[in-house]
Amino acid sequence: DIVMTQSPDFLAVSLGERATINCKSSQSVLYSSNNKNYLAWYQQKPGQPPKLLTYWASARESGVPDRFSGSGSGTDFTLIISSLQAEDVAVYYCQQYYSTPWTFGQGTKVEIK
Amino acid sequence: QVQLVQSGAEVKKPGASVKVSCKASGYTFTSYGINWVRQAPGQGLEWMGWISAYNGNTNFAQKLQGRVTLTTDTSTSTAYMELRSLRSDDTAVYYCARAAAGHGFDIWGQGTMVTVSS
Repeated sequence: DIVMTQSPDFLAVSLGERATINCKSSQSVLYSSNNKNYLAWYQQKPGQPPKLLTYWASARESGVPDRFSGSGSGTDFTLIISSLQAEDVAVYYCQQYYSTPWTFGQGTKVEIK
Repeated sequence: QVQLVQSGAEVKKPGASVKVSCKASGYTFTSYGINWVRQAPGQGLEWMGWISAYNGNTNFAQKLQGRVTLTTDTSTSTAYMELRSLRSDDTAVYYCARAAAGHGFDIWGQGTMVTVSS
């Protein structure tokens, strides 16, 4: 199984400041045939289901604000919230869908400092 | 609009079974797969399995293999997850989520709380 490890577990950022979340996979999730990374990021607010933010590591889902951006390739990935808003308080998960079992990181909780 | 609507909360005794439904609307049901993901209280996300709504092919997390069955009813655009031999550590919110090839899980149901308690 591919193990997904996020860092940090908890992040407190001031409003308007940048939040950076890292995700590392235990093996590459890059498909050489199409040069795409099978890595997604989700946001989950309390009492709600997860919401897809980005897929293929850096493609933003329709309707997601452009302050959210994903990057990285192979085994190392990053989600950046460029200017944290109050509504961004949530737990963020990375997920690989390169091979089953699809696996998630343990989550990073983002709060306002 | 595109949505997945799940059945309501369940309370079961250890050893019993539970069947959760997930009704799709707003898209062609057979063009996508459905994943099932669960989340124990205060914990992270655990993928349980996937079913193709096109041909019924399935893929399961090994730890649940033998206890979980995934099915679909294309006439009603509904997916089902049945979990047997319930234990207390199966207490969780169970989600269905649409899967488009290479696109991650783009649409999620609202979740179904399953509580296993004697």
